[in-house]
Amino acid sequence: ETGVTQSPTHLIKTRGQQVTLRCSSQSGHNTVSWYQQALGQGPQFIFQYYREEENGRGNFPPRFSGLQFPNYSSELNVNALELDDSALYLCASSSPWQGKDTQYFGPGTRLTVL
Amino acid sequence: GESVGLHLPTLSVQEGDNSIINCAYSNSASDYFIWYKQESGKGPQFIIDIRSNMDKRQGQRVTVLLNKTVKHLSLQIAATQPGDSAVYFCAENLDKAAGNKLTFGGGTRVLVKP
Repeated sequence: ETGVTQSPTHLIKTRGQQVTLRCSSQSGHNTVSWYQQALGQGPQFIFQYYREEENGRGNFPPRFSGLQFPNYSSELNVNALELDDSALYLCASSSPWQGKDTQYFGPGTRLTVL
Repeated sequence: GESVGLHLPTLSVQEGDNSIINCAYSNSASDYFIWYKQESGKGPQFIIDIRSNMDKRQGQRVTVLLNKTVKHLSLQIAATQPGDSAVYFCAENLDKAAGNKLTFGGGTRVLVKP
């Protein structure tokens, strides 16, 4: 177990709805990265949060947004859900500026958009 | 990273034999590489990492080799066990200053035959 937790485990939404996913980082880690993993593919980087600010973003539209809280936990918000948003959403924690580059992943949230 | 859709390359290996999984990475400026193992329904699990100033690193039953000349990474698993059955991903980190973003390869499925 990595100590990274995510909630909920599974979620079913319909097109056009909004969703919020949550992640608690491993103890001692101050950076959270979010990834989207479609079925049968490798994870794709969405964005990263450090010191409560976005620090790097992948090729995802603005309807994907996030937050980081003072305790380093994080949320991923997706507005106006589309069918293609169905995927496993992973968060990973690390502390790259403290020499802890390795990203440790949580179990993921499986989002299904109908 | 490249996508292979639902048809992941598959490596079938006899229990007790050694496994070699290969990965071509995309960016010659990448300075940190990681192998992850992902079992069905779980998040990626860290196996071993290597920095660009090394060409080989060993862990428990695993060895990672890095060939920067041809941008190639490999993972060797000694005495493969049934519990090693999973999808294996290589990931590259371009630059810590760029936010510790990981770019994943498409993955290789390892099936261990008893």
